[in-house]
Amino acid sequence: AQKITQTQPGMFVQEKEAVTLDCTYDTSDQSYGLFWYKQPSSGEMIFLIYQGSYDEQNATEGRYSLNFQKARKSANLVISASQLGDSAMYFCAIALLGGYQKVTFGIGTKLQVIP
Amino acid sequence: DGGITQSPKYLFRKEGQNVTLSCEQNLNHDAMYWYRQDPGQGLRLIYYSQIVNDFQKGDIAEGYSVSREKKESFPLTVTSAQKNPTAFYLCASRGGADTEAFFGQGTRLTVV
Repeated sequence: AQKITQTQPGMFVQEKEAVTLDCTYDTSDQSYGLFWYKQPSSGEMIFLIYQGSYDEQNATEGRYSLNFQKARKSANLVISASQLGDSAMYFCAIALLGGYQKVTFGIGTKLQVIP
Repeated sequence: DGGITQSPKYLFRKEGQNVTLSCEQNLNHDAMYWYRQDPGQGLRLIYYSQIVNDFQKGDIAEGYSVSREKKESFPLTVTSAQKNPTAFYLCASRGGADTEAFFGQGTRLTVV
């Protein structure tokens, strides 16, 4: 069974600064994908970034990048140049690429951007 | 517009009544999921389905039931056996193993 651990219940960051949200995962499978989602107070889930276990380069999408360290089983999200609109809950998730495609989420990190 | 629709957005029920939450997608996705979200507990998987007429229990399936008679639809029934049904419920779908899940807007269920 796969598992996601997010150990930061809440984080603060100054506007325009960078912030790293931690995510570690556990799976015995070699083939998996890692996802990050943002959930504003409205409740919608917004997909941010994806990293496959076989991808050699860290994924990047605009101001979001994923710091993937396979040996450490970590997939931290880095947000550069934080904006007030980045204040939200952030969830890390894992899904195996074979078999039943169960998607498992962590408990999330609440990010607050300070002006 | 392609997407995933959950209805209703807010739902109130009396204790002891079964209630069915609707989830429809027009993305032609094979896989569909139901999650429950409670404060401080993240998203917990209730049921998921990868193909019509087949579904798997997630981590917290007790007190819930689903059906997948059509590719587009994956309704969730919260039965009276669910001890604490008040929560925010999210439905999602995926088009492939290495693709992201698309989520509906969620249904906030309150049982009184």
